[in-house]
Amino acid sequence: EPEVTQTPSHQVTQMGQEVILRCVPISNHLYFYWYRQILGQKVEFLVSFYNNEISEKSEIFDDQFSVERPDGSNFTLKIRSTKLEDSAMYFCASSGGGLEQPQHFGDGTRLSIL
Amino acid sequence: GENVEQHPSTLSVQEGDSAVIKCTYSDSASNYFPWYKQELGKGPQLIIDIRSNVGEKKDQRIAVTLNKTAKHFSLHITETQPEDSAVYFCAASRRGSYIPTFGRGTSLIVHP
Repeated sequence: EPEVTQTPSHQVTQMGQEVILRCVPISNHLYFYWYRQILGQKVEFLVSFYNNEISEKSEIFDDQFSVERPDGSNFTLKIRSTKLEDSAMYFCASSGGGLEQPQHFGDGTRLSIL
Repeated sequence: GENVEQHPSTLSVQEGDSAVIKCTYSDSASNYFPWYKQELGKGPQLIIDIRSNVGEKKDQRIAVTLNKTAKHFSLHITETQPEDSAVYFCAASRRGSYIPTFGRGTSLIVHP
């Protein structure tokens, strides 16, 4: 069964540095998402992306964050000037349709900010 | 915005028993309600979903019910097995939005 893959599985970064989290969505999917899960807390929506632009974003997704689909297969989340509170699991997801369609999640990248 | 409450936070059952997890939502415009299972070290995996035009949906040992009037929905797992042990999240999405709001999760433990 096709799956969403994320790399790296664990990223350790010094506070203030920039990180790029990478995702390869399911190949025929058109809608892409990033979520964050702080340890022990609920999954939080960050952003959705369709047709090379952001469809919707949450309050968490401020100017520190950006997303990009640099080629036909990758979908990236860039976090600039990382802070301690950015430490979390970051999940990428994709769906074949848009609104109200099942989303398929990757296994996440654990981001640790030191 | 939408607020999703989920109970209980932890549920411990014996193998073969049934498990019920309940969620309430606040936004009457929500119309899509997925349930996710998250195993340790993995991402959430969709196990079942229901839309607001349906009151109940079943898939083998898993069923979900929705009461739009009361704004609550529940996940029912029958004949539980140890491999059902995981964290289960409910979520709600309003019409016209990509943003699902998740509950805080229920840690289900099935004892063999």
